[in-house]
Amino acid sequence: DAGITQSPRHKVTETGTPVTLRCHQTENHRYMYWYRQDPGHGLRLIHYSYGVKDTDKGEVSDGYSVSRSKTEDFLLTLESATSSQTSVYFCASRFGTDTEAFFGQGTRLTVV
Amino acid sequence: LAKTTQPISMDSYEGQEVNITCSHNNIATNDYITWYQQFPSQGPRFIIQGYKTKVTNEVASLFIPADRKSSTLSLPRVSLSDTAVYYCLVTFSGGYNKLIFGAGTRLAVHP
Repeated sequence: DAGITQSPRHKVTETGTPVTLRCHQTENHRYMYWYRQDPGHGLRLIHYSYGVKDTDKGEVSDGYSVSRSKTEDFLLTLESATSSQTSVYFCASRFGTDTEAFFGQGTRLTVV
Repeated sequence: LAKTTQPISMDSYEGQEVNITCSHNNIATNDYITWYQQFPSQGPRFIIQGYKTKVTNEVASLFIPADRKSSTLSLPRVSLSDTAVYYCLVTFSGGYNKLIFGAGTRLAVHP
């Protein structure tokens, strides 16, 4: 499997605090993605990146920002966490738009 | 990008063949059909991808009719470990950057 890791794997934070999740890949993939998945639901795209410093919004981007200063790292920031952002977050990367995507192990975030 | 529609859930029994159909009426010439599998508490993983006719690998087969408006993922002789959510995606070879997953099909395999 491609080398893609997420950190942290679990996090509990308080409402109103900023939170940053990290996705790191070692495959030199151009495209990277952040998703959230809530119980019984599919994956919803938050933000994605198509190159260093090139990012765009997905389906559910409100309350989230991203940054990609290096090919290998894609950061997701919750500027002021809310309970509705309690979820499992997955990141993914792929080389091209017609190649398979590889996913990280997920980050379980709980906002109390 | 073409929207996909697939059943919300399916049930099967060990040893049976399972066919999951996905419709993508607005698929474009440069689009591929891609399927992913997701086990509980894990990220999705790629199963198979095709453009037309039939593709087979060690895990599954993908059947795509000539009009490409639908596709069928076939899992031969399923086991309990095939219980998962299966996602059908239309992926664009021409550089469309997003990767959108729908709700998927929740397959439950029973003893």
